[in-house]
Amino acid sequence: KAGVTQTPRYLIKTRGQQVTLSCSPISGHRSVSWYQQTPGQGLQFLFEYFSETQRNKGNFPGRFSGRQFSNSRSEMNVSTLELGDSALYLCASSRRNTGELFFGEGSRLTVL
Amino acid sequence: AQKVTQAQTEISVVEKEDVTLDCVYETRDTTYYLFWYKQPPSGELVFLIRRNSFDEQNEISGRYSWNFQKSTSSFNFTITASQVVDSAVYFCALSEVDRRSQGNLIFGKGTKLSVKP
Repeated sequence: KAGVTQTPRYLIKTRGQQVTLSCSPISGHRSVSWYQQTPGQGLQFLFEYFSETQRNKGNFPGRFSGRQFSNSRSEMNVSTLELGDSALYLCASSRRNTGELFFGEGSRLTVL
Repeated sequence: AQKVTQAQTEISVVEKEDVTLDCVYETRDTTYYLFWYKQPPSGELVFLIRRNSFDEQNEISGRYSWNFQKSTSSFNFTITASQVVDSAVYFCALSEVDRRSQGNLIFGKGTKLSVKP
């Protein structure tokens, strides 16, 4: 069974640019969550999607957005990048109501 | 507010030693889930265990065991006879029991475990 796939794995952007990250969940999983991991703040919840609807959102500015498609694949977008957005962005999928999240290897974003 | 504290930032042991990773949590909810995840250098978080707040029974899985004590709000993780492959960052996490949203976990800062041969 294929795991959660995130693309791209690594990317470098400059301040002011925008970035889109992609996540393909495990087949059959309809819930997708996104997390930001930084050395200073640790793992922080960004948002969760289920059936193309945002179910929950963390405490991040509006520059961070996401969406989910009918095949459960999800994307997140960060606009007007800041240096502090440099982080590992992790995607996780789960079946409904199991509470068990399966994580991808993440997309490591560096903002210069 | 919910909070998870992992006071041990880094632990270093020699192979075959037992090691316990501490986790203390805060929540006002009466029902909640507790988790442990392992993050190897590759980056992905690997699920280890989920515990429901109603279930205080300790659990053992091979060399891994977990001690859940509601009275002290602790959910500690012990690795018996540690191995080099156990080297990773370990995260304790908490979530509320919400049928609408299962993906919002509150993570601790993590404990980096180094097992030396």
